[in-house]
Amino acid sequence: GNSVTQMEGPVTLSEEAFLTINCTYTATGYPSLFWYVQYPGEGLQLLLKATKADDKGSNKGFEATYRKETTSFHLEKGSVQVSDSAVYFCAPRYSSASKIIFGSGTRLSIRP
Amino acid sequence: TAGITQAPTSQILAAGRSMTLRCTQDMRHNAMYWYRQDLGLGLRLIHYSNTAGTTGKGEVPDGYSVSRANTDDFPLTLASAVPSQTSVYFCASSRGTSESNEQFFGPGTRLTVL
Repeated sequence: GNSVTQMEGPVTLSEEAFLTINCTYTATGYPSLFWYVQYPGEGLQLLLKATKADDKGSNKGFEATYRKETTSFHLEKGSVQVSDSAVYFCAPRYSSASKIIFGSGTRLSIRP
Repeated sequence: TAGITQAPTSQILAAGRSMTLRCTQDMRHNAMYWYRQDLGLGLRLIHYSNTAGTTGKGEVPDGYSVSRANTDDFPLTLASAVPSQTSVYFCASSRGTSESNEQFFGPGTRLTVL
């Protein structure tokens, strides 16, 4: 079946460091790809998305590019801030199923 | 707009008791979902509803039931709670079931079953 694999955490970085969180998905059809973020004590919220190959989603300084050839949607940010500390979920959504598949989540902690 | 509201915020429940977790959305979304989130396991889908009047089973439906009598409400019922149902429960909705539709999440209900 369809699945998603993302980088295991926790990831700890210093403020202003470069961030990459890897995500790969099963290449069945052409899913839309999402990154969700969960801040402490809150529900998930959409961070960015891309709906077709080579699309780049971006928001709050985060970016991710839909790479069909490598079935990947890696999340990047050039300079992280303490306020970026959260859990990040990669989530493909396939047209063959009405449901989003969530990765296991990557906990990110940023040191001042 | 409020988006999605869930009630209660948290609850401690004795094993064997029943409970209904409430979820209401004001976005007129067609699809709604219930997830549980356990440490180290990410989110797992319990039940979903693609439109009012229909429901379906997710990845972990046993011990839970849902109904979708109207567009706005999607309650989750535990008929006889067990300790393994201790978790944080999130309700979500999306405009439709297209692969491009994002999901919107409620703030969650923290349930402890003793």
